[in-house]
Amino acid sequence: GAVVSQHPSWVICKSGTSVKIECRSLDFQATTMFWYRQFPKQSLMLMATSNEGSKATYEQGVEKDKFLINHASLTLSTLTVTSAHPEDSSFYICSARTGSRETQYFGPGTRLLVL
Amino acid sequence: AQKVTQAQTEISVVEKEDVTLDCVYETRDTTYYLFWYKQPPSGELVFLIRRNSFDEQNEISGRYSWNFQKSTSSFNFTITASQVVDSAVYFCALSEADTNAGKSTFGDGTTLTVKP
Repeated sequence: GAVVSQHPSWVICKSGTSVKIECRSLDFQATTMFWYRQFPKQSLMLMATSNEGSKATYEQGVEKDKFLINHASLTLSTLTVTSAHPEDSSFYICSARTGSRETQYFGPGTRLLVL
Repeated sequence: AQKVTQAQTEISVVEKEDVTLDCVYETRDTTYYLFWYKQPPSGELVFLIRRNSFDEQNEISGRYSWNFQKSTSSFNFTITASQVVDSAVYFCALSEADTNAGKSTFGDGTTLTVKP
């Protein structure tokens, strides 16, 4: 149980385009989802926290207008990287959590390469 | 604010050696959760263990064991008789139950290389 999927797993796009990444909890309802970014050989950095039906809470330094997060249902959250630039190239990982605050379940990640 | 420190950036051992990965944390909460994750080259985080702040019992799972000591704010991870497949980046993480909306803070990770 507690499986989280992400789609796509890989994406290559041209600079200036927008990319949408989906995060789904497959067998449980996720009241909260988190989005992380990980640069090569670095740790996971939390970008934002999203609760179903409400606006996401962004971490300091993360541009809200650039990284649009939508958590429209208890099983789906999306991250849209708008007007992507090469510096946005990274590994994006989502996690989902139920009402209990104990454990986050992580998706497999999405590798974004912006040319 | 919560903080997790993994002082060992890289560790290299020879197969069958035991290895301990250190994790030291800081938090003001009395209720919190500690985690260890493994990240192989594929990138997917593999959950290894969760420990809550009220449970200081050490745990053993096969070749893995964890030593939680609140007195020193440490949650160390030992792999016994290491294998090449253990090569990965290991992250320690902390989640506060009462503050920070339960967000997890990750350490910088320890890259473990097990040589045959």
